[in-house]
Amino acid sequence: AQSVSQHNHHVILSEAASLELGCNYSYGGTVNLFWYVQYPGQHLQLLLKYFSGDPLVKGIKGFEAEFIKSKFSFNLRKPSVQWSDTAEYFCAVNYPGYSSASKIIFGSGTRLSIRP
Amino acid sequence: EPEVTQTPSHQVTQMGQEVILRCVPISNHLYFYWYRQILGQKVEFLVSFYNNEISEKSEIFDDQFSVERPDGSNFTLKIRSTKLEDSAMYFCASAQGDANEQFFGPGTRLTVL
Repeated sequence: AQSVSQHNHHVILSEAASLELGCNYSYGGTVNLFWYVQYPGQHLQLLLKYFSGDPLVKGIKGFEAEFIKSKFSFNLRKPSVQWSDTAEYFCAVNYPGYSSASKIIFGSGTRLSIRP
Repeated sequence: EPEVTQTPSHQVTQMGQEVILRCVPISNHLYFYWYRQILGQKVEFLVSFYNNEISEKSEIFDDQFSVERPDGSNFTLKIRSTKLEDSAMYFCASAQGDANEQFFGPGTRLTVL
């Protein structure tokens, strides 16, 4: 079955620490990959996306992610986090062509708490 | 920049009542979706819609749910008889093509009492 796994349920870091959030997806066909962020009380915002091309993707707010096809992974990274990065982070995958309007499948989310 | 809009932002209803959640997708988009997020849980797919018909629906999308694109601009989700467990944030999304990015609206928070 198509699924997305996020390894960390809750991550707590101090400001300026480096961040890596793990994400793995099932199925080895063509995929589009996403990371969304949800700040407290707000709606989903797209951080970055991978459709094709360079597997190292740069997004907003200094985030980046690397698509490693052999590992079915799309980990999110940031070299130095800020208190304002406190939020819920969702990895998501879409399998284009699976149906005529392919859904996005979301992971269970990782809550990131940054200590000032 | 064009965006997906949703109304209302918050809807409170009594169990058993019908609700209609409204979405205005981005104007040149052809693919439409509804997702929901129960408080504290992940975002779940409900239904996708293309070419005036449902393309795919999840097991959540039972006979109590329906979607419609009544006038070429709105995209609505109707819940015929709401249950307590329908309380959630409902997100609409639209895309230009199947392989394109989906743009999400701000959501409607549905509270069923």
